[in-house]
Amino acid sequence: GEDVEQSLFLSVREGDSSVINCTYTDSSSTYLYWYKQEPGAGLQLLTYIFSNMDMKQDQRLTVLLNKKDKHLSLRIADTQTGDSAIYFCAGAQETYKYIFGTGTRLKVLA
Amino acid sequence: ETGVTQTPRHLVMGMTNKKSLKCEQHLGHNAMYWYKQSAKKPLELMFVYSLEERVENNSVPSRFSPECPNSSHLFLHLHTLQPEDSALYLCASSQVGVAGGAGANVLTFGAGSRLTVL
Repeated sequence: GEDVEQSLFLSVREGDSSVINCTYTDSSSTYLYWYKQEPGAGLQLLTYIFSNMDMKQDQRLTVLLNKKDKHLSLRIADTQTGDSAIYFCAGAQETYKYIFGTGTRLKVLA
Repeated sequence: ETGVTQTPRHLVMGMTNKKSLKCEQHLGHNAMYWYKQSAKKPLELMFVYSLEERVENNSVPSRFSPECPNSSHLFLHLHTLQPEDSALYLCASSQVGVAGGAGANVLTFGAGSRLTVL
């Protein structure tokens, strides 16, 4: 089955850029997603990218997709303390079958 | 508020208790999901209902019993749970296109119900 892997932790200084990486095994997902989870809350969609795109930019967020290497990344420019959260990448192989990574906990140091 | 409301937010129960988790969505979506979130593990899809019919059941033990009385409400009935069932249970909803396929089938999550089984 599909496997989605992320590193567990990332620590950056406020104002720096953060890059969160994700690798996946199955390339059949039509869309790939990034979700954010703040403490005590559910997951919130940040952005998504169609599988035939290489890059998508949305304000401070840049998503890069390398289909050859099955690698997805999320870059957050000018990281703020409010960006501290857990970030999940996900793919959807079929209509209802989302596969989520384990999540990367981002800690932003003031 | 995301438009998906889960109650209770916290629940402590003994292994012999029977309780239910409730989820309500105000987004007009046609699909609802239950996920289990445990520490350091990927989110596990438990059940999916589309137009009130169960379309996914991910080998979940029978001590978890879902119910979807209408497209806005989803329940998870719990009985004789085990301590390893302690987790955050997340409800989500989405609007799936008539033509099917993943599309940009974005999930909207509730805040979750934190379950502790003693």
